[in-house]
Amino acid sequence: AQKITQTQPGMFVQEKEAVTLDCTYDTSDQSYGLFWYKQPSSGEMIFLIYQGSYDEQNATEGRYSLNFQKARKSANLVISASQLGDSAMYFCAMRYSGAGSYQLTFGKGTKLSVIP
Amino acid sequence: DGGITQSPKYLFRKEGQNVTLSCEQNLNHDAMYWYRQDPGQGLRLIYYSQIVNDFQKGDIAEGYSVSREKKESFPLTVTSAQKNPTAFYLCASSMKYSNQPQHFGDGTRLSIL
Repeated sequence: AQKITQTQPGMFVQEKEAVTLDCTYDTSDQSYGLFWYKQPSSGEMIFLIYQGSYDEQNATEGRYSLNFQKARKSANLVISASQLGDSAMYFCAMRYSGAGSYQLTFGKGTKLSVIP
Repeated sequence: DGGITQSPKYLFRKEGQNVTLSCEQNLNHDAMYWYRQDPGQGLRLIYYSQIVNDFQKGDIAEGYSVSREKKESFPLTVTSAQKNPTAFYLCASSMKYSNQPQHFGDGTRLSIL
């Protein structure tokens, strides 16, 4: 069974500082994908970054980067130069294949608060 | 602009009543999904559909039903059999069999009267 673990229920970071949000996963699949989503208080889910299990380079998207350590089964999100607008819930999710389709399993999330 | 529209934004259900949540997408995506989110929790999959007129149960399908008569639409009915329906419901869509992310609507918040 696939499982995502986010061990930090809440995190605080000073504005303009970098922060790392932890994500570990468990799967027996060789091919899988890892996603990070941001959920502001308004509720919508915003896609941030994707890492495939066969990608050799760590993914980057603007201020977001994914620290992918395959042997340790971790896919931590790094946000550089935090902004007040980064305050939100952050979810790590894993794509897995089943019954001829692909689905996502989500972690329980980390609430990030950016302090001015 | 392409996107996913969920309606209504807020919905109230009386005891013993069925209610239907709407989800429409104009992204030309093959696959559509319904998730439930409880406070402080991640998203759990209710139902998903990869193609018109076909859908599969997710992890928590009991008390819910869906239909997929059109590619653009994937309504979710919360039946009276769902004893704890109060939650935030999110609809998503994606290309089938791809590494592209799922795109989400803005959600419907369902409460019991």
